[in-house]
Amino acid sequence: EPEVTQTPSHQVTQMGQEVILRCVPISNHLYFYWYRQILGQKVEFLVSFYNNEISEKSEIFDDQFSVERPDGSNFTLKIRSTKLEDSAMYFCASSQGLPPYEQYFGPGTRLTVT
Amino acid sequence: GESVGLHLPTLSVQEGDNSIINCAYSNSASDYFIWYKQESGKGPQFIIDIRSNMDKRQGQRVTVLLNKTVKHLSLQIAATQPGDSAVYFCAENAYQAGTALIFGKGTTLSVSS
Repeated sequence: EPEVTQTPSHQVTQMGQEVILRCVPISNHLYFYWYRQILGQKVEFLVSFYNNEISEKSEIFDDQFSVERPDGSNFTLKIRSTKLEDSAMYFCASSQGLPPYEQYFGPGTRLTVT
Repeated sequence: GESVGLHLPTLSVQEGDNSIINCAYSNSASDYFIWYKQESGKGPQFIIDIRSNMDKRQGQRVTVLLNKTVKHLSLQIAATQPGDSAVYFCAENAYQAGTALIFGKGTTLSVSS
């Protein structure tokens, strides 16, 4: 069964550094998402991406964040200057269409900012 | 079986019992609801969904109930198994509002054999 993959599984970085989290969505999906989950808390929407542009973003997704689909298979989330509070699990998801099409989630990248 | 009238962060049941996990959603305009299961170290996994024009939907061993009057969603798991142990989240979406899924607080289900 096709699945969303993410790399790395764990990223440790120092405060102020830039990080890029990578995702490979399911190949025939058209919508891509990033969510985050701070330890012990609920999953929070960050951004959705369609047709090579952001279609929706949350208040969390400020100027420090950016997304890109650099080629036909990868989807990346960049955090320009990481803060301690960026430490969280970051989940990529993809779907064939808008809800109620199912969003399939990847296994996540644990980002630790020290 | 064991039922929970209000959202509780944890639910412990015996293997074979029926489990009921509750969720209160926030947006009266939401028209699509999903239950996700999250096992330790993994991403959310789709279990079952329901649209607002329905009040009940059944899957394999799972049933979702929707009460729009009180903005309440529940997940019933029949004959709970140790493999059902996980954190369960409800999520909502309003078609007109966009693509984002808004997740609720999770409930940790622990199944003992």
